[in-house]
Amino acid sequence: GAVVSQHPSRVICKSGTSVKIECRSLDFQATTMFWYRQFPKQSLMLMATSNEGSKATYEQGVEKDKFLINHASLTLSTLTVTSAHPEDSSFYICSASPSGGTRTYNEQFFGPGTRLTVL
Amino acid sequence: DAKTTQPPSMDCAEGRAANLPCNHSTISGNEYVYWYRQIHSQGPQYIIHGLKNNETNEMASLIITEDRKSSTLILPHATLRDTAVYYCIVRVGVWGGADGLTFGKGTHLIIQP
Repeated sequence: GAVVSQHPSRVICKSGTSVKIECRSLDFQATTMFWYRQFPKQSLMLMATSNEGSKATYEQGVEKDKFLINHASLTLSTLTVTSAHPEDSSFYICSASPSGGTRTYNEQFFGPGTRLTVL
Repeated sequence: DAKTTQPPSMDCAEGRAANLPCNHSTISGNEYVYWYRQIHSQGPQYIIHGLKNNETNEMASLIITEDRKSSTLILPHATLRDTAVYYCIVRVGVWGGADGLTFGKGTHLIIQP
């Protein structure tokens, strides 16, 4: 159990276009989801925390108007990269935390990631 | 969250035990030690976590020193599929919720055939 999916797994787009990435918790409800970004040969960096039904909280240095996050249901969060540029090319990974507490303290389950390439 | 220090890379022979160290000398009393791993081009995978007692699950064992300033993740019989970057993360546990994780550079474990 505790599977998180992301769609698409890979996307290539032209500079200036917008790209939407979906993150779904398949077999559990997640009040909180997280979005991370990983550049080549670097570690994951937390971008934002997404809470169902409320505005996302962004980490310092992450532009909220560029990276739009919507968490409209307990199983779906979306990240939209608006007006994408080549420097936004990265590996975007989401994680989800089960609602209501679990047997494992502060558990998070990660999606498989989305590789974004902006030409 | 407390800072952690891990060796950048380690090699281990297939079938042997892989012992990955982590130093967290500034850990606070309410902070847990978590281990995740990331296989190339995949999302991170939770391995194990502990507070002060040693822990074991189907994937690994976690040994935490008595002063809690360091820990060791043990993969008892490493396979080629265990080749990955292993992250040691120290953080306060949040019951019924979660905080975003701060990943360091981790240890790149390479299992040799």
